[in-house]
Amino acid sequence: QVQLVQSGAEVKKPGASVKVSCKASGYTLTGYYMHWVRQAPGQGLEWMGRINPTSGGTNYAQKFQGRVTMTSDTSISTAYMDLSRLRSDDTAVYYCARPNPSRGNGLDVWGQGTTVIVSS
Amino acid sequence: DIQMTQSPSSLSASVGDRVAITCRASQSISTYLNWYQQKPGKAPKLLIYAIFRLQSGVPSRFSGSGSGTDFTLTISSLQPEDFATYYCQQSYSTPKTFGQGTKLEIK
Repeated sequence: QVQLVQSGAEVKKPGASVKVSCKASGYTLTGYYMHWVRQAPGQGLEWMGRINPTSGGTNYAQKFQGRVTMTSDTSISTAYMDLSRLRSDDTAVYYCARPNPSRGNGLDVWGQGTTVIVSS
Repeated sequence: DIQMTQSPSSLSASVGDRVAITCRASQSISTYLNWYQQKPGKAPKLLIYAIFRLQSGVPSRFSGSGSGTDFTLTISSLQPEDFATYYCQQSYSTPKTFGQGTKLEIK
C-alpha cells in the first residue's frame, strides 16, 4: 500500500540542525511533489514547503527561507527536510505529505510524523 | 500569501447534531479547497478535496460546499468518532496555507 515512513524522534540543542527523512513506498517518488508540514505542541498545522523530486525544485514558506532545505534521493525513494539554526519554538511534530493532483492537490498520504524537540 | 480563516475555533455538540464549520480565504482560490480531520497524536487525514469531493472511504455524512472565498464543512449527524480537530487548506498557490483549526468537542 501507499505509505510514507518517517525517521525517528530527535532532540537537538538550540543552534543545531535536524534532518528528517520520509521514505515513500507503494508509489514512485518522482510521480508527485512532497510537502512538509509542522505542528507545534497544541497548535495548528503550518505548511513549510515542498519539493519536486523529479527536478529538485523547491518552494519554501517565507518564514523558513534560509533555514530549511528540502531534498530527495530518488534512488531510495526518500525525501528529506533539513532545518538549521534551531530554536526552542521549532519544537514540533514534522510531517511529510503527498499532494495528489487527482484530488485537487489535497494531501492524501501523510507520514506518521517526527517529533523534534529543541532544548538546551 | 493567502490567509485562511476558520470559524468557530471550537465547537461543542452532541452525537446526532448537525454542525457546520466555515473557512474564508483572503482571495479567490477557485476550487482548491481541502478539509482535513485530525485526532490527537495522529497525522491529519484528507476528508474532502476540491470543495465538495469526498476522499475515498469518508462517510457521506460529511459534505463540503462553497465557492470563491467562502466554504463550509458540514457533518449531518455527528458520530462519536467525529470528535476531532478540522482544518481547511488552500492548494491554489504557495504557500499552501491552512486555517487555524476548529476543535469539535462532545457536549
